[in-house]
Amino acid sequence: NAGVTQTPKFQVLKTGQSMTLQCAQDMNHEYMSWYRQDPGMGLRLIHYSVGAGITDQGEVPNGYNVSRSTTEDFPLRLLSAAPSQTSVYFCASSYHPPGQESTRGYTFGSGTRLTVV
Amino acid sequence: SQQGEEDPQALSIQEGENATMNCSYKTSINNLQWYRQNSGRGLVHLILIRSNEREKHSGRLRVTLDTSKKSSSLLITASRAADTASYFCATGLSGYALNFGKGTSLLVTP
Repeated sequence: NAGVTQTPKFQVLKTGQSMTLQCAQDMNHEYMSWYRQDPGMGLRLIHYSVGAGITDQGEVPNGYNVSRSTTEDFPLRLLSAAPSQTSVYFCASSYHPPGQESTRGYTFGSGTRLTVV
Repeated sequence: SQQGEEDPQALSIQEGENATMNCSYKTSINNLQWYRQNSGRGLVHLILIRSNEREKHSGRLRVTLDTSKKSSSLLITASRAADTASYFCATGLSGYALNFGKGTSLLVTP
């Protein structure tokens, strides 16, 4: 099935632990982004990528790292988890630049619900 | 900071009624998009309107865009219980990612 796959769906971490949230798409999309969603805050952009080897920071990048070694995969790494990183994380991808005229919009994954205790 | 802001934050209507939600944004845009999120799920792209368009239709959805007022509205006609969801507007961020608003939570009761 074509789409964006996020794993795991749920995760509980202890403060200070590290982990990687996986995101993979099979639609040959160049543009990929990570968002976090907190109650009352909407979606906030963490990092984004415009193609393999190219990433940039979004609104809330602190505490997170990304890399894009292939077109298909865009993992998000939490370096040292903190309770403030408890959130639902969404990965999204787009064939065209999502903010430009040619876009058809994002395809979203189903999310990873992360709790840091 | 978030570009788009939806209004109202929450809306409750009965089946068959129309639902209107609004979005205001701050800077110039190439397009504005609306997404739906069912509880516990990812967002789904609904409709996109370009900056040179004023109105667009898709099924029971009607979107308007007023670039002079930096605002957009999403109208869902003849609402159904299945339309219960959160609705988000999104605008371009440097062209390469999107800024989302905080969303409008719509409840449609039978």
